[in-house]
Amino acid sequence: EIVMTQSPATLSVSPGEGATLSCRASQSVSSNLAWYQQKPGQAPRLLIYDASTRATGIPARFSGSGSGTEFTLTISSLQSEDFAVYYCQQYYNWPGTFGQGTKVEIK
Amino acid sequence: EVQLVESGGGLVQPGGSLRLSCAASGFTFSSYAMRWVRQAPGKGLEWVSGISGSGGSTFYADSVKGRFTISRDNSQTTLYLQMNSLRAEDTAVYFCAKATVLWGVGQYFDHWGQGTLVTVSS
Repeated sequence: EIVMTQSPATLSVSPGEGATLSCRASQSVSSNLAWYQQKPGQAPRLLIYDASTRATGIPARFSGSGSGTEFTLTISSLQSEDFAVYYCQQYYNWPGTFGQGTKVEIK
Repeated sequence: EVQLVESGGGLVQPGGSLRLSCAASGFTFSSYAMRWVRQAPGKGLEWVSGISGSGGSTFYADSVKGRFTISRDNSQTTLYLQMNSLRAEDTAVYFCAKATVLWGVGQYFDHWGQGTLVTVSS
């Protein structure tokens, strides 16, 4: 099983600042990586797939990069609605695995 | 508009059973794999089970194998999860999620239901 490790566990950011979230795979997953956002009491929402493609309706301030084992989700200027937990998921290897999540909180 | 609406959660005693449903609309249901994903209180996301678009292929997490059964009715565009021999550690919000492919590797999930809470407690 491919293990996905996200860092940091918690990121404290002021509104308007940028944020960089990391996701590392225990072995290469090529570009088969998705990012999801989950707000309290809500379902996860797909943000990014294929490591860098924004899903439908996702604002341009969200961007993904990386390939192989190292991936990054960047939020260029945090809005109030962006404070949430973010999960990465690899789908290179069956059945796909999630990272443990990074919580982005208001500083 | 794609919609996934779960139902069937509730409070059940250890050893009991529940059947979850996920009513789907807004897309060609039979063309996509579907999964159940759960989230224990304060924890991350965990795959529970998945099923191919036709219903002919399924998989289960080791933690639920032999106790849970996934199925789908493509004529009714509904996904199910039959949960038997429930344990306290099955307590979680259960989400259904739509894959972007029919089956196999490469599955990520572009739509999710709102979730239904299952509580296993005496």
